[in-house]
Amino acid sequence: QKEVEQNSGPLSVPEGAIASLNCTYSDRGSQSFFWYRQYSGKSPELIMSIYSNGDKEDGRFTAQLNKASQYVSLLIRDSQPSDSATYLCAVNMGPGTASKLTFGTGTRLQVTL
Amino acid sequence: AAGVIQSPRHLIKEKRETATLKCYPIPRHDTVYWYQQGPGQDPQFLISFYEKMQSDKGSIPDRFSAQQFSDYHSELNMSSLELGDSALYFCASSPFTDTQYFGPGTRLTVL
Repeated sequence: QKEVEQNSGPLSVPEGAIASLNCTYSDRGSQSFFWYRQYSGKSPELIMSIYSNGDKEDGRFTAQLNKASQYVSLLIRDSQPSDSATYLCAVNMGPGTASKLTFGTGTRLQVTL
Repeated sequence: AAGVIQSPRHLIKEKRETATLKCYPIPRHDTVYWYQQGPGQDPQFLISFYEKMQSDKGSIPDRFSAQQFSDYHSELNMSSLELGDSALYFCASSPFTDTQYFGPGTRLTVL
C-alpha cells in the first residue's frame, strides 16, 4: 500500500463543472499537505498548500483537509480545458520542515468542451 | 519572479557513462531537494540539503552522489549509468517554510 493514495483516473468533467480530487495518506503525524499540477513532460507546479483542518480557498481552487480521516481533497470550480493535467497530492511526513515530499501517483483530469 | 534553474535541460548518455546535473535554487532558498520521475510514475525523493549539509536521504542509488555548494547551488552526480536511470530529474527548493518549488527538470536518456 502506498503512503499517499490517489485515484489515477482519468477524471472527466465538462467545462464549467466542479472537479473533485481526493487523496488519503497513511502517516497520521503528517503536518503539511500540497497539491501540485503537472502537465505531461513538465515539472510539478504548486497549486495549494494546507496545514490545518478545514477548507482553504484560492481563486477557483479549494483544498480541504481532515486529519482525523487522513484525507485531503482539491476542488476546482468552473473547470477549464487548460485545467486538464495530472494533479499530484504530496505530503510532508517529517520529521522536519526540510523533509521529503511523498507523492501520490496522481489523478489525471480531463476537462471536456 | 525568479524560479529554480536546472541545467542541462536534456542529456543523452551511453550506459556506464557519468552525468552531472546542476540546480540553482530560488534566491534566498536554503534547502534543495532532488527527485526522480520515471515514465508514468510519481516523483521519487532522492536527497535533500539544508545549509549545505545533507538533511534527508531517500532511495538514491550508491552510484549517485550530490552536494550543495557555498552559493547554495547543488549538483547531482550519477556514475555507471544504467538504462533504468532514464527519467526526469527535478530539483526543488524551499525557504525556511517547507513549501517546495520545482525547477523545469532535466530529461536524462541513457542509451
